[in-house]
Amino acid sequence: DIQMTQSPSSLSASVGDRVTITCRASQNISSYLNWYQHKPGKAPKLLIYAASSLQSGVPSRFSGRGSGTDFTLTISSLQPEDFATYFCQQSYSTPLTFGGGTTVEIK
Amino acid sequence: EVQLVESGGGLVKPGGSLRLSCAASGFTFSPYSMNWVRQAPGKGLEWVSSISSSSSYIYYADSVKGRFTISRDNAKNSLYLQMNSLRAEDTAVYYCARDTKSVDWYFDLWGRGTLVIVSS
Repeated sequence: DIQMTQSPSSLSASVGDRVTITCRASQNISSYLNWYQHKPGKAPKLLIYAASSLQSGVPSRFSGRGSGTDFTLTISSLQPEDFATYFCQQSYSTPLTFGGGTTVEIK
Repeated sequence: EVQLVESGGGLVKPGGSLRLSCAASGFTFSPYSMNWVRQAPGKGLEWVSSISSSSSYIYYADSVKGRFTISRDNAKNSLYLQMNSLRAEDTAVYYCARDTKSVDWYFDLWGRGTLVIVSS
């Protein structure tokens, strides 16, 4: 199975900050990497697919980069509605696997 | 409104069974592969099972293989997960999630989840 490791597991940031979350795969997954946002009690939301493609309707302050084993999700200017948990997921092979999550909290 | 709504969760004893349902609305259900994903308390997301649009291809995580059965009824716009021989470690919120039309193995629509608690 492909292991996905996210860092940090949590971070505190202020509105307007630039935030970067890292996801590392245990083997080469090319660009088969996706990012989701999850708020408590709500449905998870797809943000980025294929490492860098912005899902329709997602604000442009979200961006994704990387290929191979190392990937990043960046929020260019954190907004109040962005405080949530973010997960990466590899779609290279089954079993599909997720990172452990990064919780973005208000500083 | 385009949405997925899960139901059927609850409290069940170890060794027991439960059947989860996911009702799709606001879109044409039949062309999409569908999935179940779960999140145990305090843990990350875990993919559980996938079923193709016509039910021809079915996949399971090793942790549930032989105990869980995924199925769908395209006429009823519904996805199901039959869970047997439940264990404490199956305690989780179970999410229904839609794959893309081209089966890219990522999920562009999720439900809010239904909670399953396995405890004596």
